[in-house]
Amino acid sequence: SQKIEQNSEALNIQEGKTATLTCNYTNYSPAYLQWYRQDPGRGPVFLLLIRENEKEKRKERLKVTFDTTLKQSLFHITASQPADSATYLCALRGSARQLTFGSGTQLTVLP
Amino acid sequence: DAGITQSPRHKVTETGTPVTLRCHQTENHRYMYWYRQDPGHGLRLIHYSYGVKDTDKGEVSDGYSVSRSKTEDFLLTLESATSSQTSVYFCAISEGGANTGELFFGEGSRLTVL
Repeated sequence: SQKIEQNSEALNIQEGKTATLTCNYTNYSPAYLQWYRQDPGRGPVFLLLIRENEKEKRKERLKVTFDTTLKQSLFHITASQPADSATYLCALRGSARQLTFGSGTQLTVLP
Repeated sequence: DAGITQSPRHKVTETGTPVTLRCHQTENHRYMYWYRQDPGHGLRLIHYSYGVKDTDKGEVSDGYSVSRSKTEDFLLTLESATSSQTSVYFCAISEGGANTGELFFGEGSRLTVL
């Protein structure tokens, strides 16, 4: 069966360090992978999309890698700040119209 | 912020009662989605629509029906609510196509079925 796993339910890091979140998937051949941020009581907000033919994508302090051989995406936040504390979700588009989400990693950046 | 409004934002109802959640968009996006979010399960797709009167089932569609009679409105109906349908429901929209596929989410509707 298809599965998306975000390896850590919760991750605590010190301010200024780089946070690295993992998204692994099985039985998908995704055309692209997305990352979202969700704050408590709010809907998810889109951050980045990376296509299957791209190895890396950057946006300000965010970097995403996509390894279709390992079936894994890594999401990095450099120079992390307490304001980066949130739940981060990865999502895959398997079929043409559906986006499937992982259960998320709750990141806490400690001052 | 994308123009997505969900109503009601909070609802408490009793088992066996019908419930309708409404999603309204002002973006004229083609695709609309209903997800539910539960601890440990993340976001799971209930139903989606790719145009007026065009809908399809998602991963967890049992016990739910949808309707889309206008581009801007997507209704989710629980014909006879059960306690297992207690959840936070999110509506999302997207333009669709191969360019981005990013979803814009509403603020959620918290439903409690007693």
